[in-house]
Amino acid sequence: EDQVTQSPEALRLQEGESSSLNCSYTVSGLRGLFWYRQDPGKGPEFLFTLYSAGEEKEKERLKATLTKKESFLHITAPKPEDSATYLCAVHGGTSYGKLTFGQGTILTVHP
Amino acid sequence: NAGVTQTPKFQVLKTGQSMTLQCAQDMNHNSMYWYRQDPGMGLRLIYYSASEGTTDKGEVPNGYNVSRLNKREFSLRLESAAPSQTSVYFCASSEGAANTIYFGEGSWLTVV
Repeated sequence: EDQVTQSPEALRLQEGESSSLNCSYTVSGLRGLFWYRQDPGKGPEFLFTLYSAGEEKEKERLKATLTKKESFLHITAPKPEDSATYLCAVHGGTSYGKLTFGQGTILTVHP
Repeated sequence: NAGVTQTPKFQVLKTGQSMTLQCAQDMNHNSMYWYRQDPGMGLRLIYYSASEGTTDKGEVPNGYNVSRLNKREFSLRLESAAPSQTSVYFCASSEGAANTIYFGEGSWLTVV
C-alpha cells in the first residue's frame, strides 16, 4: 500500500525566511510525485510533477526535489501570499489513476 | 479557462435524502475522479472513470454511485445520505491515468 507522510504539520515563517517542507513516501513503482497548493475553501492547485530521483522543478519562489524516498519543497524568501496548505501525493504503479495524498503542511508566512 | 466545474458549491441534506453532485471538465481529458477531503484523513478517492464508458471503485466507494455521462461529465450520487458523508467533495480530471490530475473548486456537503 502506498503511503505518504508530510512534515512538519504546520510551519510558521517570517517573510523572507527560507525553509523546506518534507514529503516521505513508500510506493511500489513510482509513476509520479505531485505537489499541490490548497488555499482555504478552494480545490488543490497543481504545482509540480516529479518522475524520477534527482529531478528538480522550479516555479517562482518554489523548488521541488525528489530522491528515492522523499521529496522536498523548498521555499526561498517567502511572502505572505505563499501562505497555504501544501499537499504531496504519489501515483504508484499498482494504483490506476489513484493518488495517495499526505496530510499536508500548513504554511503561514508573517509579514 | 473553466477547467473542472462542480455544482452545487454548498448543500445541506437530511439523513436519508438523495442528491447528485455534477462535474464537467473542458480540457478534453479522458480520466475523471471523485475525491472526498476530511480533516485528519486527507484526500481519498471515491470513484474514478479511466475513460468514457468505464467506472471503477476507489478507496471509499460505499454509499456512492457514479455516472460517466459523456467525455466531459462525471456525476456522483448519494442515494441515501448519512452524517458520515458530511465532507468536501472534489471532482478532478487528467489526460490519462499517469498524467497530472487537476481539481475543481469543491462541493461542501453537510448531512444532518
